[in-house]
Amino acid sequence: QKEVEQNSGPLSVPEGAIASLNCTYSDRGSQSFFWYRQYSGKSPELIMFIYSNGDKEDGRFTAQLNKASQYVSLLIRDSQPSDSATYLCAVNMSGTGGFKTIFGAGTRLFVKA
Amino acid sequence: DGGITQSPKYLFRKEGQNVTLSCEQNLNHDAMYWYRQDPGQGLRLIYYSQIVNDFQKGDIAEGYSVSREKKESFPLTVTSAQKNPTAFYLCASSNGFGYEQYFGPGTRLTVT
Repeated sequence: QKEVEQNSGPLSVPEGAIASLNCTYSDRGSQSFFWYRQYSGKSPELIMFIYSNGDKEDGRFTAQLNKASQYVSLLIRDSQPSDSATYLCAVNMSGTGGFKTIFGAGTRLFVKA
Repeated sequence: DGGITQSPKYLFRKEGQNVTLSCEQNLNHDAMYWYRQDPGQGLRLIYYSQIVNDFQKGDIAEGYSVSREKKESFPLTVTSAQKNPTAFYLCASSNGFGYEQYFGPGTRLTVT
């Protein structure tokens, strides 16, 4: 069973702090990794994708990938109340017919003003 | 404006009725997907299509059907055979299978 695991939270951080969201995956052959933000009642919105080991930065967001440990994380610097949402980790995993994107259940983030 | 549209936003149906959810994209993406999301759960793949006139079952295809007659359109029919159809349905597309996916606004279906 191919899996993507996330702590469901809620993760609560004060405004201005760094929020760290973590994700582990089961398929060692996975090549593509995605982070989505989903506000309550809305559809997921792509924040970042990462393919190579190391860090990838985009504004206040940094994705970190460690394929040896099968671990991908998302750091949000200078967290704002508007960052309060559920963050979904998604991983492309091999399967019949090619790769398939598997989504984690998400981590709820709450940023306190 | 490029994007994915889904209609309607809310849909109410009686048990035993088939219902079709619309999904249209003008991003010129080859691949399209349908997911179902239940409260507090992740996305589960219903069907996907890598190219026009071709589609594949996902993890929970029973009770659903799709068609892909045009590149822009990927409608989903929820049939009366689907045991528990009440859910939030999300359509997505990507520029090639396995690339990052972009989601429509979703359709919230309630069956009573």
